[in-house]
Amino acid sequence: DIQMTQSPSSLSASVGDRVTIACQASQDITIYLNWYQQKPGKAPKLLIFDASDLETGVPSRFSGSGSGTDFTLTISSLQPEDIATYHCQQYGSLPLSFGGGTKVEIK
Amino acid sequence: QGQLVQSVAEVKKAGASVKVSCRASGYTFNTYGINWVRQAPRQGLEWMGWISVYNGNTNYTQKFQGRVTMTTDTSTSTASMELRNLRSDDTAVYFCAKGGSHSPYDVFDLWGQGTMVTVSS
Repeated sequence: DIQMTQSPSSLSASVGDRVTIACQASQDITIYLNWYQQKPGKAPKLLIFDASDLETGVPSRFSGSGSGTDFTLTISSLQPEDIATYHCQQYGSLPLSFGGGTKVEIK
Repeated sequence: QGQLVQSVAEVKKAGASVKVSCRASGYTFNTYGINWVRQAPRQGLEWMGWISVYNGNTNYTQKFQGRVTMTTDTSTSTASMELRNLRSDDTAVYFCAKGGSHSPYDVFDLWGQGTMVTVSS
C-alpha cells in the first residue's frame, strides 16, 4: 500500500502570505495526485487533480506541482476564506490513500 | 454539476450494522463510480472502497473486507454502504464521493454532505 505523508500538519500565516504544503508518496505515483480543501463541518472539495490541473471554479491563487513521490500545494496569497484543512490523495495504486491533512489558520 | 444527498445521522450499538445511503442527481448516475470515505473525529480521510454503478464491480480495502457491502440502485440513483459488526472505532463521518470516470483510479469530484455514525458500547 502507498503511504502519503503531508507536512506540516498545521500552519499559521498572515493574510497575503505565500503558503506551501508538501505531500510525499512512499512510491512513485507519477502525477496521480489530487488536492482537496475541507472547511470545518463540511465535505472535502476538489481543488487540483493530476498534480497540477486546477479544478473549474477554483481561484488561480491555488497551484500544484510535482511528480513521482514529491508534490506541493501553494496558495500564492492567503485569503481569510482559505482557512481549512488540505488533503492530498493518490490514485496511482489501489487502495487509494490520503495524507494526514494540513490545517491552515490565520495568524 | 450534480448533487449527492446522504441519509441522516445514526446511533448504533456495538455489534450492530448500519446502512448509509447516497442519492445522486444532476448527472448520469451509471456513468461514474461511487467511493466511500470516512473520517473519524479529529482524524484524516480514509478510503473504504469503490463500486462501479455500471456493472456493480467493487473494490474494498482489506481493512473492511468481510464487514462492508457497497451497492447501487439505478432505478433510484442511490448508492448504499452497509458496515456490519460495528465497533467503537467505527464512529466517524461517512462520505460518498462520485468518481471522475468509470474507473476507481480517479478523482473524487463530487461529495455528499456526510453522515455521522456513532457507535456506543
